Amino acid sequence: EVQLLQSGGGLVQPGGSLRLSCAASGFSFSNYAMSWVRQAPGKGLEWVSAISGGSGGSTYYAGSAKGRFTVSRDNSKNTLFLEMSSLRDEDTAVYYCAKWMEGHGDYLDHWGQGTLVTVSS
Amino acid sequence: EIVLTQSPVTQSLSPGDRATLSCRASQYVSSNLAWYQQKPGQAPRLLIYDASMRATGIPARFSGSGSGTDFTLTISSLEPEDSAVYYCQQRSIWPRTFGQGAKLEIK
Repeated sequence: EVQLLQSGGGLVQPGGSLRLSCAASGFSFSNYAMSWVRQAPGKGLEWVSAISGGSGGSTYYAGSAKGRFTVSRDNSKNTLFLEMSSLRDEDTAVYYCAKWMEGHGDYLDHWGQGTLVTVSS
Repeated sequence: EIVLTQSPVTQSLSPGDRATLSCRASQYVSSNLAWYQQKPGQAPRLLIYDASMRATGIPARFSGSGSGTDFTLTISSLEPEDSAVYYCQQRSIWPRTFGQGAKLEIK
């Protein structure tokens, strides 16, 4: 069974940093690209970032994340990361990690439980 | 960036009714479109990919159609558990984008 277990959310001050983790099990993690998607309170889904499978040599970011967020992966630990810096109030959201669907690219067929990031002074 | 516009934003229907949800893309996306369902407090669930392919385990009452810029999600006979917010998502161009969501209420 595919499982994505997220951790690392919490309260952070504006301008601060936070690292989110997503521990994967039940599939060959290194073979799959992964994405991060967020959802501000009461709002819709916003795609944040993606990283290719294998060494993770290809990364992609939404404009709102570019230059402030870094996606990475540790295949030896089956874990995906999102490093967030220079956080702003508008980054407050539930962050989800998600697995790409096999053979069909950037469709997200399994999701983590979500972790809440609150940016506030 | 491709903007996906969903309509109607909210609709309220009865069990057994047919629901039609629309998603219009600001640029051509071919068939590179998915639909997700999200219930309160839950992560989204993939329903449809490549505009018309049902994901694993999705009931046959869910179907998708369209290509290019206009897409439709149809739920043929509503069940109470179909009450949710539905999102379309394109994977044609970076950055990937979602529609703003469409809330479906079952009376």
